[in-house]
Amino acid sequence: DAGVIQSPRHEVTEMGQEVTLRCKPISGHDYLFWYRQTMMRGLELLIYFNNNVPIDDSGMPEDRFSAKMPNASFSTLKIQPSEPRDSAVYFCASSEPGLYGGYYGYTFGSGTRLTVV
Amino acid sequence: DQQVKQNSPSLSVQEGRISILNCDYTNSMFDYFLWYKKYPAEGPTFLISISSIKDKNEDGRFTVFLNKSAKHLSLHIVPSQPGDSAVYFCAASDFGTGNQFYFGTGTSLTVIP
Repeated sequence: DAGVIQSPRHEVTEMGQEVTLRCKPISGHDYLFWYRQTMMRGLELLIYFNNNVPIDDSGMPEDRFSAKMPNASFSTLKIQPSEPRDSAVYFCASSEPGLYGGYYGYTFGSGTRLTVV
Repeated sequence: DQQVKQNSPSLSVQEGRISILNCDYTNSMFDYFLWYKKYPAEGPTFLISISSIKDKNEDGRFTVFLNKSAKHLSLHIVPSQPGDSAVYFCAASDFGTGNQFYFGTGTSLTVIP
């Protein structure tokens, strides 16, 4: 398996523009997580899905953020409009055995580094 | 509120010496703990875990210690190698009820050759 695949690896955009981040989880994993990494808050959970259904979006910072999972193999995180303070690394992760991730936790993608100027 | 805290954002250690990374948690229901390692431009990857029924787990050069009464865990790397230079995240979960993992803010370890 190729692991969790995220695209793009880097995104530079101007303030006010729409940004879409993409994630392909590991086949068979029924949980998908979106995290944001910042210096102040570390790995911050934004939202997670179970069987394509959003379960907990309490970590989504504002209405400018939205996430979808139209099928088991694809998810998007959208920011509209983007702001400089959204600059961070965004990770997608997936889990097979459940929310608790099993003995080895979650499998993470390589992340998308977003810069909003 | 941050349920898992890593109070040292960075740590520098000479090659061959011991690296000690610390992690504190607030939720007494947490019963399973992980350490992840993250290299630049890569996602975090699993390093080592410990269950609350143990106070120590060892895997090669890596040992994790758990002090439940103090709600504290630590990761020891002996001997430290330059390839260990990375960001280390601790994570905790209420494994018994199948709850999610909560992550700390990370500690950036630099091992100086």
